[in-house]
Amino acid sequence: DAMVIQNPRYQVTQFGKPVTLSCSQTLNHNVMYWYQQKSSQAPKLLFHYYDKDFNNEADTPDNFQSRRPNTSFCFLDIRSPGLGDAAMYLCATSRDPLARRGTDTQYFGPGTRLTVL
Amino acid sequence: GESVGLHLPTLSVQEGDNSIINCAYSNSASDYFIWYKQESGKGPQFIIDIRSNMDKRQGQRVTVLLNKTVKHLSLQIAATQPGDSAVYFCAEESGGSNYKLTFGKGTLLTVNP
Repeated sequence: DAMVIQNPRYQVTQFGKPVTLSCSQTLNHNVMYWYQQKSSQAPKLLFHYYDKDFNNEADTPDNFQSRRPNTSFCFLDIRSPGLGDAAMYLCATSRDPLARRGTDTQYFGPGTRLTVL
Repeated sequence: GESVGLHLPTLSVQEGDNSIINCAYSNSASDYFIWYKQESGKGPQFIIDIRSNMDKRQGQRVTVLLNKTVKHLSLQIAATQPGDSAVYFCAEESGGSNYKLTFGKGTLLTVNP
């Protein structure tokens, strides 16, 4: 039944130890997004893929990378996590770019809460 | 820069009352707005959306009002229930070639039984 799945739900890593977060979708959507959400703050877009085209936000640190090997999966790689990277990481999908067709919107996964020790 | 913001960071209501959550936006080019509900430990959940060519849209127990003159968006929840307790975010998509949603700060709605 789940449409946007994120694994794991909770991830603990050590300072500087690379970590990968996973997102998969059963919606066959063209666009997949990664957001970072810190406590009591709004989600902040890191980057998105439109099909295979990667679009990085200007203020996303180089420490954050992403891969999309196929339509269903997208990964967030944090190369050297710092204490400031502890947050909820949200994956979202949309069929097409927003507001262009129908009432498509972004569908969010449950998030992965990352703790950096 | 352009931004979407919320007037009230917290709102506490009694069960059965109507709730109104407000949002101000500054980008006059924004043409699509969404309200999301986020419960603790979960991802945002779509509630309702509205396009800039409309000023009102109704869903089940929820109504979104858009006032483009003053760049204001509101979410009305009728007969608020304890299950409505969550953080509510407004978000805008400003058009152009980016696919970006800009989220407001969020309002924490607490429903008292």
